[in-house]
Amino acid sequence: AQKVTQAQTEISVVEKEDVTLDCVYETRDTTYYLFWYKQPPSGELVFLIRRNSFDEQNEISGRYSWNFQKSTSSFNFTITASQVVDSAVYFCALSETNQAGTALIFGKGTTLSVSS
Amino acid sequence: GAVVSQHPSRVICKSGTSVKIECRSLDFQATTMFWYRQFPKQSLMLMATSNEGSKATYEQGVEKDKFLINHASLTLSTLTVTSAHPEDSSFYICSARLQGYQVGEQYFGPGTRLTVT
Repeated sequence: AQKVTQAQTEISVVEKEDVTLDCVYETRDTTYYLFWYKQPPSGELVFLIRRNSFDEQNEISGRYSWNFQKSTSSFNFTITASQVVDSAVYFCALSETNQAGTALIFGKGTTLSVSS
Repeated sequence: GAVVSQHPSRVICKSGTSVKIECRSLDFQATTMFWYRQFPKQSLMLMATSNEGSKATYEQGVEKDKFLINHASLTLSTLTVTSAHPEDSSFYICSARLQGYQVGEQYFGPGTRLTVT
């Protein structure tokens, strides 16, 4: 069975601190896809990144970076020099196929609070 | 990019009434749409997969007679909460995928906040 675990329920940091959000997943498939979404207070999900299981390269996008390690089944997300606007709930998600009829399975989310 | 809309964004209804939520793909066709439910401070839980022209597939524990899903066209899926009760109060989010695209191209609607009094 597939499962996504985000052990950190809430994290509070002060602006300019770096913060890492953890994500551990379980799947029986060798091909799968991992995602991170941001959900601000408005509720609308914002897509951040997609990674397939064959691409273990870390990725950096501005202040955001992702560390994918298949050996530990983890897909961690780091925000560098956090800002107040980063305050939101962040979800890690998993999909075992790339078929149109496959939904995403979400972790419980991590609420990030960045104070000034 | 692709846009998914939901209507209404917020709805308050009385216990025992039914509420219909619409999910539209605005600039693309979607053979498959998904309905999620999110309780306060919790994750998104998949309720059902809506397939154009056929019956929806419901997740275990979701009452199909209570949450009626109709996917009558390639751009519209509706979720009707029948005989709503306060415990149905939640944030309902739909998502849609473009045909022929990779799984990452899944677009989420802005959500509908349902409050049953």
